[in-house]
Amino acid sequence: DSGVTQTPKHLITATGQRVTLRCSPRSGDLSVYWYQQSLDQGLQFLIQYYNGEERAKGNILERFSAQQFPDLHSELNLSSLELGDSALYFCASSDTSGGRTDTQYFGPGTRLTVL
Amino acid sequence: DAKTTQPPSMDCAEGRAANLPCNHSTISGNEYVYWYRQIHSQGPQYIIHGLKNNETNEMASLIITEDRKSSTLILPHATLRDTAVYYCIVRVARGNKLVFGAGTILRVKS
Repeated sequence: DSGVTQTPKHLITATGQRVTLRCSPRSGDLSVYWYQQSLDQGLQFLIQYYNGEERAKGNILERFSAQQFPDLHSELNLSSLELGDSALYFCASSDTSGGRTDTQYFGPGTRLTVL
Repeated sequence: DAKTTQPPSMDCAEGRAANLPCNHSTISGNEYVYWYRQIHSQGPQYIIHGLKNNETNEMASLIITEDRKSSTLILPHATLRDTAVYYCIVRVARGNKLVFGAGTILRVKS
């Protein structure tokens, strides 16, 4: 158990819909990272927040957005969903803003299925 | 970003040491080597990381060659529960993301 929690575990929805994925970091961690894992793309970095501020951006679609709240939990919002958005979404947390020795600990993930 | 090359799959007998190689010939002097693993579709699990010296923790050992162009992750006594995809990652000097490749599928067999 990494200490990172994610809800829900599974989500099934229809194309065009909007969903929100939630992540609670390990106690004391200030950074939250979001990753997407699809069958054809592997694990890809989406976005990082540090202490409420966006810190780094990866291959995140404009239809996706994220935020980190004062209690440090984070939400990833996915809108206008397409079939290709079906994937595992992982959240990770670390205790610093990042860097070469910043170890990220991953949550169990949310499996999103878009029908 | 320094690229890594790993064999697509490996087999290991239960109870034996599993040695997983990784090539990272373009690594920069200040970039760390990280290892994660992913069991089935669970979240990636941190294993170990190092810069130039060999490292050991309760899970594994990391051996980095003197020229830093390659490394080996060693699971000293592999069990069936070590069957997973193992990712070797070179931590980029700028930015915070982890860049995952295809990894090595390790199958531990009884």
